[in-house]
This record gives sequence, C-alpha cells and structure tokens, in this order.
Amino acid sequence: DIQMTQSPSSLSASVGDRVTITCRASQSISSYLNWYQQKPGKAPKLLIYGASNLQGGVPSRFTGSGSGTDFTLTISGLQPEDCATYSCQQVYTTPGFGGGTKVEIK
Amino acid sequence: EVHLVESGGGLVQPGGSLRLSCTASGFTFSSFEMNWVRQAPGKGLEWVSYISGSGTTIYYADAVKGRFTISRDNAKNSLFLQMNSLRAEDTALYYCAREDRYPHDSSGQKYDYWGQGTLVTVSS
Repeated sequence: DIQMTQSPSSLSASVGDRVTITCRASQSISSYLNWYQQKPGKAPKLLIYGASNLQGGVPSRFTGSGSGTDFTLTISGLQPEDCATYSCQQVYTTPGFGGGTKVEIK
Repeated sequence: EVHLVESGGGLVQPGGSLRLSCTASGFTFSSFEMNWVRQAPGKGLEWVSYISGSGTTIYYADAVKGRFTISRDNAKNSLFLQMNSLRAEDTALYYCAREDRYPHDSSGQKYDYWGQGTLVTVSS
C-alpha cells in the first residue's frame, strides 16, 4: 500500500498569511492526488483534484502543486472560514488518505 | 442539487452486525461509482469500499475484507454497507461519497459529494 504523510499535523497562522501544507507519498503517484477540507462536525469537501485542479466553487486562494511523491496545498491569504482539517488522498492505487493537517487562526 | 443521506448507524456489540444505507438524490445514481469512507473518533479518513455504477465491480480495504459487503439498488437510488463480525476498531463515522472522474484523465477519481455520515459504535 502507498503511505501518505502530511506535515505539519497542525499549524496556527494569522488572517492573511500564506499557509503551505505538504503531502508526501511513499512511492510515485503521478498527479493522482486530491485535497479535501473538513470543518468540525461536517463532511469533507473536495478542494483540489489531480494535484493542481481547482474544484468548481472553491476560492482561488487555494492552490495545489506537485507530482510524483511530493505535493503541496497553499492557502494564499488565510481567512477565518479556512479553519479546518485538510487531508490529501492518493487515487493512483487503492485510495488512501493522509493523516490530516489542522489549521487554526492565531 | 446533489444530496447523500446516510442512515443505519448505532451501538452494536462486538461480533454483531449493522446495515448502513445511503440514499442519493439530485443526480442519475446509476451513472456514478460510489464509496464508503470512515473516520474513527479524532482520526483521519479511511477508505472502506467501492462499487461501480452497475454494481458489478467491487473493492474493499483489507481491514474489512470478508466482513463487510457493499451493494446498491439503482432503482431506489440507494447504496448499502452490510457490516458483520464488527470489532471495536470499526467504531467510526461512516460516510458515503460519490466518485467522479477527472475531466482530463478518466484514470483519476475524486470524491465530489459526501453525505453527513452515520455513526457506528462497537462496544460491549
């Protein structure tokens, strides 16, 4: 199985900051990588698919990049409503998720 | 508007069984592959099972293989998860999720709609 490792596991940043979350795969997954946002008590929401493609309706401050084994999710200009846990998912083989990164506002 | 509503969760003793349901609306259910994903309390997301639109192709995570059975009734826009021989480690919030393909690459999958989940607690 492909292991997905996210870092950091949590972070605290100020409104307006640029936030970067990293996801590393244990082997190459090409660009078969999705990012989800999950707010407390809510279902996950798809943000990014195919490593860098913005899902419809998602604000443009969210961007994804990377291929192979290393991927990043960047929030450019953190907003209060971005407080959530962000998870990556590889769909190259049997689907698997990273452990999640909790983003809080300082 | 797409809606997915799970039901059937509850408290069950170790070794017991439960049948989860997911009722879909707002889209042509038979045209979409579906998945079950679970989340243990305070933990990350874990993929559980997949079923094709016709129901002919099915996959399971190793952790549930031989104990869980996924199925669907396209006439009733419903997805099911029969869970047998339940263990404490199966305790989780269970989500159904619609699968769609990347528009630029049909080999890629994304879970574009999720239900709110149904809680399964396995405890004596």
